Amino acid sequence: DGGITQSPKYLFRKEGQNVTLSCEQNLNHDAMYWYRQDPGQGLRLIYYSQIVNDFQKGDIAEGYSVSREKKESFPLTVTSAQKNPTAFYLCASSIVGVNEQFFGPGTRLTVL
Amino acid sequence: KQEVTQIPAALSVPEGENLVLNCSFTDSAIYNLQWFRQDPGKGLTSLLLIQSSQREQTSGRLNASLDKSSGRSTLYIAASQPGDSATYLCAPLRAYSGAGSYQLTFGKGTKLSVIP
Repeated sequence: DGGITQSPKYLFRKEGQNVTLSCEQNLNHDAMYWYRQDPGQGLRLIYYSQIVNDFQKGDIAEGYSVSREKKESFPLTVTSAQKNPTAFYLCASSIVGVNEQFFGPGTRLTVL
Repeated sequence: KQEVTQIPAALSVPEGENLVLNCSFTDSAIYNLQWFRQDPGKGLTSLLLIQSSQREQTSGRLNASLDKSSGRSTLYIAASQPGDSATYLCAPLRAYSGAGSYQLTFGKGTKLSVIP
């Protein structure tokens, strides 16, 4: 089955800790994206990547970092610099260009 | 900056009713528009993609229309079922900051409840 997997489903973090969210896809897509969703808000773009070893900041990149060492993987690190990290994080992928985006099941991060 | 508005924010209908969800956007320079469905605590499921050159796109009981010049899209759901209960999101795609980069901008969604 082709698709996007995200792990873990739930993540709890203490203040001051960095945490890494996993996103893997087997759709052979070059483009991958990270979004953040807050209650009652639209999704907002954190980072995106169109090719291995390259990525670009989205609208709300502060306090986050990413890497793209493999085509299939696009992990997101939420650093201690992110002031309000509690949110639902969604990963997506697409063929590069004006094409349909497909989403993973999401990771819910809670800061204790 | 693209702004997307979805009306109504919530809708409750009896089973079997036909319904229309509305989406408006401020920047008409879009390449396509996607409609998504989101169940509580879950990811997004892509329902329909309308290219900017298209006026309509259909999938089963769903029909989406796009009027790019007026900045509007509608999602029509025929013969609604309780399983259609979810939040529906629209997202137009436009050029972003980097060359060859494109961005989806999301509305806050319409929460649909279909009552048996």
